Amino acid sequence: RKEVEQDPGPFNVPEGATVAFNCTYSNSASQSFFWYRQDCRKEPKLLMSVYSSGNEDGRFTAQLNRASQYISLLIRDSKLSDSATYLCVVNMRGGSQGNLIFGKGTKLSVKP
Amino acid sequence: SQTIHQWPATLVQPVGSPLSLECTVEGTSNPNLYWYRQAAGRGLQLLFYSVGIGQISSEVPQNLSASRPQDRQFILSSKKLLLSDSGFYLCAWCPFRAPNNEQFFGPGTRLTVL
Repeated sequence: RKEVEQDPGPFNVPEGATVAFNCTYSNSASQSFFWYRQDCRKEPKLLMSVYSSGNEDGRFTAQLNRASQYISLLIRDSKLSDSATYLCVVNMRGGSQGNLIFGKGTKLSVKP
Repeated sequence: SQTIHQWPATLVQPVGSPLSLECTVEGTSNPNLYWYRQAAGRGLQLLFYSVGIGQISSEVPQNLSASRPQDRQFILSSKKLLLSDSGFYLCAWCPFRAPNNEQFFGPGTRLTVL
């Protein structure tokens, strides 16, 4: 089983749609979780951390289910500018050791 | 505010040539520093990380090496490039002892080995 798995997509959605991405991770001892966004040929940028109680930032909602080892990202009212690849990222050991594990990403394309 | 720089932005090198990629961070002290590679169609792979000057941890055996000669400088090197070294090289930093290890990436160097 891969350490962090995501549906590669692509997800092609119209503007204004709601879209959800899922991610599973293999290590039950994982400590912290993130969603990064990567535009084509650019560096990944931190979108949001994922907290146990779930958290929201504007149109973006992240949720964590530790029992199922599952992370989700919900984007409401999609904009053209949301088109990018979304990376699910897990910190396997905690703290600041070099143990961020990146999923391969889910590609989102928002159409007019 | 903190900024991270990488250069060059793009590089085309022949097989067997040496490599030196540089990363510098501004606006912070004693950061943790990381080198990743992203090959076409693949996820990010951690190559090296450093928690201080002269301290380098290697995550995978490979043709590359890293050095940290100064607190905010991280260098990725190779003596002889292979075709398989082609990829997008990303440097990242994280505040010292950050509890969650949130990392922030530089703009990357796109390396093509011919």
